[in-house]
Amino acid sequence: GQSLEQPSEVTAVEGAIVQINCTYQTSGFYGLSWYQQHDGGAPTFLSYNALDGLEETGRFSSFLSRSDSYGYLLLQELQMKDSASYFCAVGGKLIFGQGTELSVKP
Amino acid sequence: EPEVTQTPSHQVTQMGQEVILRCVPISNHLYFYWYRQILGQKVEFLVSFYNNEISEKSEIFDDQFSVERPDGSNFTLKIRSTKLEDSAMYFCASTQQVSYRGNQPQHFGDGTRLSIL
Repeated sequence: GQSLEQPSEVTAVEGAIVQINCTYQTSGFYGLSWYQQHDGGAPTFLSYNALDGLEETGRFSSFLSRSDSYGYLLLQELQMKDSASYFCAVGGKLIFGQGTELSVKP
Repeated sequence: EPEVTQTPSHQVTQMGQEVILRCVPISNHLYFYWYRQILGQKVEFLVSFYNNEISEKSEIFDDQFSVERPDGSNFTLKIRSTKLEDSAMYFCASTQQVSYRGNQPQHFGDGTRLSIL
């Protein structure tokens, strides 16, 4: 089977940096995706890592270590609007982790 | 920017009734998906659809579920005889190209909240 583990919630303050970790156990791994979901609305794609290392897209970066079956999403210069749930996922038919609820405080 | 649209936004149905959830994927996308999210839980894959047939389905997608692309724009999910445990948010998604590896961003609609009474 496939399973992904994430912390259930993370709290940080505006302007800070936060890291959301994801460990996975899956057969046939190709890459790790990250999605953001605000208030139960449409999940939106953030990033995809197929190779080891860090991918940067603006304030958001995503990291993958295939040997450790581990990845993380790094959010910098946190803003209140970043308060949302963040899901890691694998596969074409997306298999999601349980999600991490990020609360950004003033 | 093109969007995936879903209707209705909220559907309330009596247990045992049939329900049809509708989706209009992005126009040049070829691969379609349904997911569900029970309140407070993760998003779960139900089914993928390409070239007018099911590509893959999960254990959740039993004989009570069916999907259809009745015309060139709509993609529907039908639940034949709803149960209380079918209450969830149902999301439709689409991609332009096949995404066996997950490297194609899936574009999600805003979902239909299905409440079974």
